[in-house]
Amino acid sequence: QSVLTQPPSASGTPGQRVTMSCSGSSSNIGSNAVNWYQHLPGTAPKLLIYSNNQRPSGVPDRFSGSKSGTSASLAISGLQSEDEADYYCATWDDSLNGRVFGTGTKVTVL
Amino acid sequence: EVQLVESGGGLVKPGGSLRLSCEVSGFTFSNAWMNWVRQAPGEGLEWVGHIKSKADGGTTDYAAPVKGRFTISRDDSKNTLYLQMNSLKTEDTAVYYCATGWILLRWGQGTLVTVSS
Repeated sequence: QSVLTQPPSASGTPGQRVTMSCSGSSSNIGSNAVNWYQHLPGTAPKLLIYSNNQRPSGVPDRFSGSKSGTSASLAISGLQSEDEADYYCATWDDSLNGRVFGTGTKVTVL
Repeated sequence: EVQLVESGGGLVKPGGSLRLSCEVSGFTFSNAWMNWVRQAPGEGLEWVGHIKSKADGGTTDYAAPVKGRFTISRDDSKNTLYLQMNSLKTEDTAVYYCATGWILLRWGQGTLVTVSS
């Protein structure tokens, strides 16, 4: 199982703000930058946030990331129907000498 | 436009082998670290491993479940990344994606590998 723990689900109505957490340890989030990915099953995953809080070109500023200690979080403001997807955090783990993904959070737009 | 196209997936028996390819275009492949990531049915994303650019040594790192069975290689002259999978197990059944760079910026659409008798 993954060393990064995310809540299995989150939901909100259109326009609301939704947040999700990613909990790790000193060997992963505590030591390395966190990235976030959006994934609709059957499609290519998409990088949303890199280096804890940076957005790649083309990603709306409705998506924001933060990190504190051994935890990180992703926020989606102004929730839209197209945001309904699975969201994964990821980082490097120095103890495992490998990249680790979170367990994933499924966002539902009510 | 950056494109990554995986191929080589299919049905294989436990204990068998398969080689996946990821052909890329739209960026300088030889400068890029490349990754393989998989998603088993009903499960989350799992990093398989990566290969550094030759300029950075061309070395590989693997996740524990595949170490010793899977080998990542690259042919910069063909802009192609490979994943050689040996001693396949039923738990290796997944969609396999290739992705670019340290931050996994660009991803392919994936290729399905099914390990079943």
